[in-house]
Order: sequence, then structure tokens, then C-alpha cells
Amino acid sequence: GAGVSQSPSNKVTEKGKDVELRCDPISGHTALYWYRQSLGQGLEFLIYFQGNSAPDKSGLPSDRFSAERTGGSVSTLTIQRTQQEDSAVYLCASSYQMSANTEAFFGQGTRLTVV
Amino acid sequence: SQKIEQNSEALNIQEGKTATLTCNYTNYSPAYLQWYRQDPGRGPVFLLLIRENEKEKRKERLKVTFDTTLKQSLFHITASQPADSATYLCALSGGSNYKLTFGKGTLLTVNP
Repeated sequence: GAGVSQSPSNKVTEKGKDVELRCDPISGHTALYWYRQSLGQGLEFLIYFQGNSAPDKSGLPSDRFSAERTGGSVSTLTIQRTQQEDSAVYLCASSYQMSANTEAFFGQGTRLTVV
Repeated sequence: SQKIEQNSEALNIQEGKTATLTCNYTNYSPAYLQWYRQDPGRGPVFLLLIRENEKEKRKERLKVTFDTTLKQSLFHITASQPADSATYLCALSGGSNYKLTFGKGTLLTVNP
């Protein structure tokens, strides 16, 4: 595809359920980010994968959150035992190089609503 | 801790005027500063990147400045149009920390 693809675009789940959010980055991009954006707020960093290095998980808000990236491509963000405060838009981004001077390309996001 | 502030949550200007948005940071020495545009319901879209050793960068009607002494970047849109209405985000990265850290953004509204 031409851009970063996220699925599903919308997800409504009951409190306590687990959810999986998927991100397909642009082919060849070595870096992948997950961010969370609550209504009217900025982007909150969650986790960052770069190449084969250990991911930077410093932004994950609790141990209910985890993410993996298989084969250096597709990434899945998993939220276990969802809570209402997890409701937000989850954005994935990828970039071409493992360096600080390249732009990030964002997906359209997954809007998660926990009821 | 590192902090990025975009001073105005919202900015309203008249069409044709120059919009100036501010991004300040503390406890950070970024090598690169980026500006993104975000429309409602969409992911951010990259606009411009400026390096720490660059004072100014231009792209069409956009201009970015980067003052590492003041720890500030200014983002200008000249001859603004209603289509420029969006949220604008600054983001910092640097050194071995490739992670992009974003400000909260400024909602710009250009009135016809």
C-alpha cells in the first residue's frame, strides 16, 4: 500500500475485554511508533521499534499494554483488561531510517471506545 | 523532565494575514525539530524539518525558525487561507534518542 494502514478504524469494546490493534507500516520503513491521542490532547508516546534493537517501551502506561513487531514489519498493540480511560485514538507511524532526521508517516488511527 | 510547550491552544486570524505559532522546549537538546499538520479524524502529516544548525527553513508559504539559545521554534504561514485551518504540532528528536516527542498542538482557524 501507499501509506501506513491501521485496523480496525473503530473499535468499541466492553470494559475488561482485551483488544488488539494492528499497524501495517510503509514497506521498507525500519522504525515504527505507537502514540495515543485523547480528545483535544497531543500525542502521547507509547512505544518505539527501530530495526532489530530492543523496543523503547518507556511510554507504555501500564503492564496491561504491550506491543510486538513481527518480522520487522506489521505491529500489534495489545491492551488487556481494557478500562474506560483507555478510550482514545491510537496512532501508528513509521519512518524510513533509524535516525532522528526523517519524517514520520502516520496512519489514520484506530478510535478505541471502552464502554 | 523534557517538556514541549506550544503556547497557544488556539489561534484565530483573518485570511491573508500571517499566522505565527510558537514551540518552546525545556530540559532537551534536540538535534531536529519537525512541524506536522493534523486535520480532524486524521493522522498528522509532516510539513517541515529543521536541524539545530539551521536558523530558518522555507517551503512555499511556510517558514520555520529554530533558536537553540532561546529553545524555541516559530512556525509562520504567510498569506493564510481558510484551508490552512488545522491543528499544528511540533515534534523534537535528537542524539541517540530517535523518538519523536510531540507538543500538544495549536488549533489554527483562518477566517474568511
